[in-house]
Amino acid sequence: QQQVKQSPQSLIVQKGGISIINCAYENTAFDYFPWYQQFPGKGPALLIAIRPDVSEKKEGRFTISFNKSAKQFSLHIMDSQPGDSATYFCAASTYNTGKLIFGQGTTLQVKP
Amino acid sequence: GAVVSQHPSRVICKSGTSVKIECRSLDFQATTMFWYRQFPKQSLMLMATSNEGSKATYEQGVEKDKFLINHASLTLSTLTVTSAHPEDSSFYICSASRQGLDTQYFGPGTRLTVL
Repeated sequence: QQQVKQSPQSLIVQKGGISIINCAYENTAFDYFPWYQQFPGKGPALLIAIRPDVSEKKEGRFTISFNKSAKQFSLHIMDSQPGDSATYFCAASTYNTGKLIFGQGTTLQVKP
Repeated sequence: GAVVSQHPSRVICKSGTSVKIECRSLDFQATTMFWYRQFPKQSLMLMATSNEGSKATYEQGVEKDKFLINHASLTLSTLTVTSAHPEDSSFYICSASRQGLDTQYFGPGTRLTVL
């Protein structure tokens, strides 16, 4: 019940295209859903996060779509660039513990 | 703002020795710090949660006597890997959060190699 399932495992997108990564969860107590970007040998960096009271959040080229009834959320990267090539992790947590449960990660490659 | 540092960035040690990794929040007070381990091409696995001034809470399967965590101040937490073995070789990452807030800010990670 604590798992967060992420797909696809890897993704190849052409420059300028849209990258879409999906996550699903079971625990309805989760109330915070961040996305992190990680480059090789570096720590994760927060990209964008959402709470269950909104269905979409956009920051620049990054958009989170959230479907509370389906217990799913997704990251959309618009106008994908080669510099976006990295591993992306979704995560979820509950406010009372603050513990992040991470998805399995998606390796994104954006081809020039 | 919200910068977290780790030291050292890389460490190589011999089997049986102990290694200490420091995690610092540079520009904010971190009431809670988290320690994660990440094996190559895998996700982050939470090892323990530490709150300033109290004992760390370890996740199931993590040996608390092997991975000693100290959170002595609002800006510093340390992880000591005791009697390290080759299977402890991994990428250790800390994160920190402010009181009452969800957002975790991650450090750059420490690559531990045990020979």
